[in-house]
This record gives sequence, structure tokens and C-alpha cells, in this order.
Amino acid sequence: DGGITQSPKYLFRKEGQNVTLSCEQNLNHDAMYWYRQDPGQGLRLIYYSQIVNDFQKGDIAEGYSVSREKKESFPLTVTSAQKNPTAFYLCASSISAGQGIYGYTFGSGTRLTVV
Amino acid sequence: AQSVTQLGSHVSVSEGALVLLRCNYSSSVPPYLFWYVQYPNQGLQLLLKYTSAATLVKGINGFEAEFKKSETSFHLTKPSAHMSDAAEYFCAVSESDMRFGAGTRLTVKP
Repeated sequence: DGGITQSPKYLFRKEGQNVTLSCEQNLNHDAMYWYRQDPGQGLRLIYYSQIVNDFQKGDIAEGYSVSREKKESFPLTVTSAQKNPTAFYLCASSISAGQGIYGYTFGSGTRLTVV
Repeated sequence: AQSVTQLGSHVSVSEGALVLLRCNYSSSVPPYLFWYVQYPNQGLQLLLKYTSAATLVKGINGFEAEFKKSETSFHLTKPSAHMSDAAEYFCAVSESDMRFGAGTRLTVKP
């Protein structure tokens, strides 16, 4: 079955460390997205990519970086510049960006905790 | 700019009672509207979507939503709540990208 796989499910980071969250999809979707979820704040867009080798900042990109070298993969790096990284991170994909009718498919998330 | 507002961050109902989760949208063009459900420590799962084909949309798990343009609303309902419906529900609107509401946590009391 097609879907989105996020790994790891739980991740612990020490202060000052960079960590990378994995997101892989086998849906042949062009667009991929990273969201951050905090209690009571809904989903906030970090970065999105409409096509391979291209990505754009979302609403809260500071302290994060991404790459899109393959259509299937859209890893997110949480850098040491992110002051409050503890959150639940969700990856999503859609058939095509700008095509609102299709909706998004979500991965099962990664919970990142700073220790 | 498109946006959605979910009225009520927490809703509590008794098992077997009507579920009503409220969502109002703002959009400059006829919108595509979605409801997603999220169980603890999981991703979002699509419940239903409105794409202008019909104003009453039926989704999974017995949920439905009605698009009311005059009220700019897309409220989610279920006639009889089940314990397994306890989760967080997100309304979303999509023009070129998708914007989510803050979510409503549904609690079902036995």
C-alpha cells in the first residue's frame, strides 16, 4: 500500500545538536510538506516543496532546513538555532501543489524532545 | 487570505449523543474544505472533503458535514457518538495551499 513513512517515531535531542527527521513517500506525489504541531496551536507550516530540488519557507522556517534531492524523500533538519524544538512533527504530501481539491496524506509523525 | 476558525477547543459529549464540531471559513474563492481526525501520537486522517459536488458530504465512521455558503460554515456532525470517536478534529480550507484550524478535542463520556 502507498503511504508516507516518518522515522523515527520518537527522537531525543541534546541541547546544541542538529537532528534530522526522515520522511519518505511512495505515492508518486509531487508536493511535500513539513508541519509542526504544538498543543492548542494546530498545525504550522515549516517548509514545503513543489518539485524536486526546490522548496519554500513556510510560516515558521527559522531554525529548520530541508532538502528535496529525490521525489520520494523530504528530510527535515532541526538545527541548534531552533530555540524550542520540542514538538510533534508531521510530514504530508499531495498530488500537486496548488491543486487544492486533492487534500493531503499525512505520515504518523515524529515526536522530538530536547533533553 | 483563506483561513478557518474552529469554535471550541474542547467538546465533551455522552456516548450515543449528537456530535457537533463547528468550523467557519474565510476564502476569496469557492473553497475546498476538509475535516481530518487525529488520534494520539498519530498523523491526520481524512474524514471527508467538500469539493462543490454536493453540499452535504458523507465521510468515514458515520460523520458528515454540510457546506453552508451563506453562513461560511462547514460543521461536522455525527448522530450518535461512540467511545472510539474520542480524538482531535481539524477543519482545513484549501485554495492553493491548505490552512488548518486550531483543532477541537472531542471527549466521549460513557
